[in-house]
Amino acid sequence: ETGVTQSPTHLIKTRGQQVTLRCSSQSGHNTVSWYQQALGQGPQFIFQYYREEENGRGNFPPRFSGLQFPNYSSELNVNALELDDSALYLCASSLFGLDQETQYFGPGTRLLVL
Amino acid sequence: AQSVTQPDIHITVSEGASLELRCNYSYGATPYLFWYVQSPGQGLQLLLKYFSGDTLVQGIKGFEAEFKRSQSSFNLRKPSVHWSDAAEYFCAVAPYGNKLVFGAGTILRVKS
Repeated sequence: ETGVTQSPTHLIKTRGQQVTLRCSSQSGHNTVSWYQQALGQGPQFIFQYYREEENGRGNFPPRFSGLQFPNYSSELNVNALELDDSALYLCASSLFGLDQETQYFGPGTRLLVL
Repeated sequence: AQSVTQPDIHITVSEGASLELRCNYSYGATPYLFWYVQSPGQGLQLLLKYFSGDTLVQGIKGFEAEFKRSQSSFNLRKPSVHWSDAAEYFCAVAPYGNKLVFGAGTILRVKS
């Protein structure tokens, strides 16, 4: 069984740039959720994707957007980067409709915005 | 709004001693409850979860947690801590099917 993978592991961007983070879900899972974890805080829910559509969104501005592909992998895009976007971005996968609340996390992508 | 409180930011215990990490939640109904562990620079690993039934749940690595409805608590325990347990622990609730709400975490330090 393949776990959740994310790429890249680390990324440095400058303010105003755009970034794309990638996630492959655990085998057999069809739902992907994204979380932002700022330093010293718990993860905050950004959004979830199921059947290639957004299935719930947290309190994040529209410059945070996502995609899910037919193979259930997902992308998180952030436009017009701000310094406060520096964080660990975590992807989690789950199986919608059966124990869907249980989410399994990837290792994260650490983003630094300068 | 749903919230999770982990009152202890840091806890230090001696190796071999028992451990209890506290978690309180605010939610109208009985939510789904989780404990995750995060080692430095790593993602989150699921330790255990509670959905319904027996209020004492067993997890991986020798951890257990007890759900107490009257206290809105879901405390994590381990009878004997190992140095490898040093990490940050997060309590989370799933008020709806599509997101987890996390506490701020408790950093566990283990002294030899």
